[in-house]
Amino acid sequence: AQSVSQHNHHVILSEAASLELGCNYSYGGTVNLFWYVQYPGQHLQLLLKYFSGDPLVKGIKGFEAEFIKSKFSFNLRKPSVQWSDTAEYFCAVNQGGKLIFGQGTELSVKP
Amino acid sequence: EAGVAQSPRYKIIEKRQSVAFWCNPISGHATLYWYQQILGQGPKLLIQFQNNGVVDDSQLPKDRFSAERLKGVDSTLKIQPAKLEDSAVYLCASSLEGGSRGETQYFGPGTRLLVL
Repeated sequence: AQSVSQHNHHVILSEAASLELGCNYSYGGTVNLFWYVQYPGQHLQLLLKYFSGDPLVKGIKGFEAEFIKSKFSFNLRKPSVQWSDTAEYFCAVNQGGKLIFGQGTELSVKP
Repeated sequence: EAGVAQSPRYKIIEKRQSVAFWCNPISGHATLYWYQQILGQGPKLLIQFQNNGVVDDSQLPKDRFSAERLKGVDSTLKIQPAKLEDSAVYLCASSLEGGSRGETQYFGPGTRLLVL
């Protein structure tokens, strides 16, 4: 069975700092990968996803993620964070139509 | 477009009581999912329906949890009897077709359950 590991449980950054959140998955075959975000008081929503093709995926609000097959990784990046990026971020992999989530990373951005 | 609706938003019960949650997916979405999210963890799939049939319920504790989607639209998830470890947020999600590896799932706001 697939598993997803997110390395950081809580990240604290100042505004304008660069962000990289780690995500590793266990399966070696064809994968579909997702990053979901949950802003305070809101529901989970899709940030970006990788299905096939260009391994550098761009999502909403300036986020991007790079799929590196040899490293089983799908790290999330943003060059300059804003206070409004404060949220919990979940990496997920699709296994047979169901999502397997990592444990989440809480991001706090200080103004 | 209306999103996934869930009710109630919060529920507090005592252990051994029963509880039910309701979900109405996005109109036209064939596949509906129930996830359990325990504090500090990511969501874990409990059951997946495609129309009114069960696709995957391998992670559903069937001795106490049950779910149905009788008309292929809305769904209910029931816990009877509840245990302390069932305290969690129960998330409902839907997708247009289901089974497609890259398909986006849309989540509702969740029901936060506290079992005392």
